[in-house]
Amino acid sequence: AQSVTQPDIHITVSEGASLELRCNYSYGATPYLFWYVQSPGQGLQLLLKYFSGDTLVQGIKGFEAEFKRSQSSFNLRKPSVHWSDAAEYFCASTGTASKLTFGTGTRLQVTL
Amino acid sequence: DAGVTQSPTHLIKTRGQQVTLRCSPKSGHDTVSWYQQALGQGPQFIFQYYEEEERQRGNFPDRFSGHQFPNYSSELNVNALLLGDSALYLCASSLWGAETQYFGPGTRLLVL
Repeated sequence: AQSVTQPDIHITVSEGASLELRCNYSYGATPYLFWYVQSPGQGLQLLLKYFSGDTLVQGIKGFEAEFKRSQSSFNLRKPSVHWSDAAEYFCASTGTASKLTFGTGTRLQVTL
Repeated sequence: DAGVTQSPTHLIKTRGQQVTLRCSPKSGHDTVSWYQQALGQGPQFIFQYYEEEERQRGNFPDRFSGHQFPNYSSELNVNALLLGDSALYLCASSLWGAETQYFGPGTRLLVL
């Protein structure tokens, strides 16, 4: 069965600092991978996705993620965090079936 | 271009009651998926509808049922509500066979 692990429940970074959120997946083949962001009380907004090809994918709001097959990872990065990036971030995967399997999320706090 | 919409935004019910949540997909999309997000957790897949039929189902009891209408909108019904059904219910739409899903703002259900 597919699973997605986000090891960090809560991360705090200073505004302007770099960010990396970790995500590990478990799946027999190469899954489709996604990062979503959720602001308090809101739905999920798609940041970026990886299906195949270039392992470094660019998303909205200056985010990028790198797929590493050898590590079964799909970590999200941003070079310089803004206060408005404070939110909950979810990594998700889907295989041949199109249902999404989500991690438990990482809450990002940004200090000024 | 309207995104995914859901109604109502909030709902309070008591144990044993029944509830119906509604979702209108993004323009041009024909597939609707429903997810349950308990507090502090990632979303869990409930089921997916396409061509007015349930195509996939997650690990949820039969108390959870759904429907899709000819205009692709969808309803989620939950019977015999339990306290544990309190959650944010998210609707996501997509094109059939496509892997990318777009989420609505959710309906927050509180069961007392």
